[in-house]
Amino acid sequence: AQSVAQPEDQVNVAEGNPLTVKCTYSVSGNPYLFWYVQYPNRGLQFLLKYITGDNLVKGSYGFEAEFNKSQTSFHLKKPSALVSDSALYFCAVRANTGGFKTIFGAGTRLFVKA
Amino acid sequence: DTEVTQTPKHLVMGMTNKKSLKCEQHMGHRAMYWYKQKAKKPPELMFVYSYEKLSINESVPSRFSPECPNSSLLNLHLHALQPEDSALYLCASSATSGGTDTQYFGPGTRLTVL
Repeated sequence: AQSVAQPEDQVNVAEGNPLTVKCTYSVSGNPYLFWYVQYPNRGLQFLLKYITGDNLVKGSYGFEAEFNKSQTSFHLKKPSALVSDSALYFCAVRANTGGFKTIFGAGTRLFVKA
Repeated sequence: DTEVTQTPKHLVMGMTNKKSLKCEQHMGHRAMYWYKQKAKKPPELMFVYSYEKLSINESVPSRFSPECPNSSLLNLHLHALQPEDSALYLCASSATSGGTDTQYFGPGTRLTVL
């Protein structure tokens, strides 16, 4: 079965420190992996995606993610967190289950303290 | 421009009312989606339209009726809803319904059913 796991409900980090939001996946075939961010009462904003090629993917707002096939992981990272990065982050995989569907992880709430 | 617009932003309706949600995109995308999102949960796929044809219906109750009048517009008609249908309804679009295409989300309609 296709699935995405975000093992941490919440991540707390101090402003200026590096942040990591974890994601692991299980999918048959090639994984197409995405990260989205959601601010309160807003839709999801696309951050970055991995399709193929370089394992390190750079995205919007200074975020990047590293694809690790052997560990089936796609962790989101940022070298220096901002208070404004505080939001809900979703990892997602596009899986072909008779038509491509997006399967979202449960989400990780990121709190960045000033 | 990667904008998906949704109207209205908020909607309150009774259980006997009929209302419609509207979604619009002008990016030339040929796939459009409806998602339902409960508080602090990931979005749940409801419907997928590909080239104005319904391609995926995730066993959604018939009180939700989608419509895609043209390639830019997606509607969700609501009738005889239940209080448990209260949620944030998100529309998204992507170039095609293929696995590598990024979905872009609208801001959502916050629906309250009394």
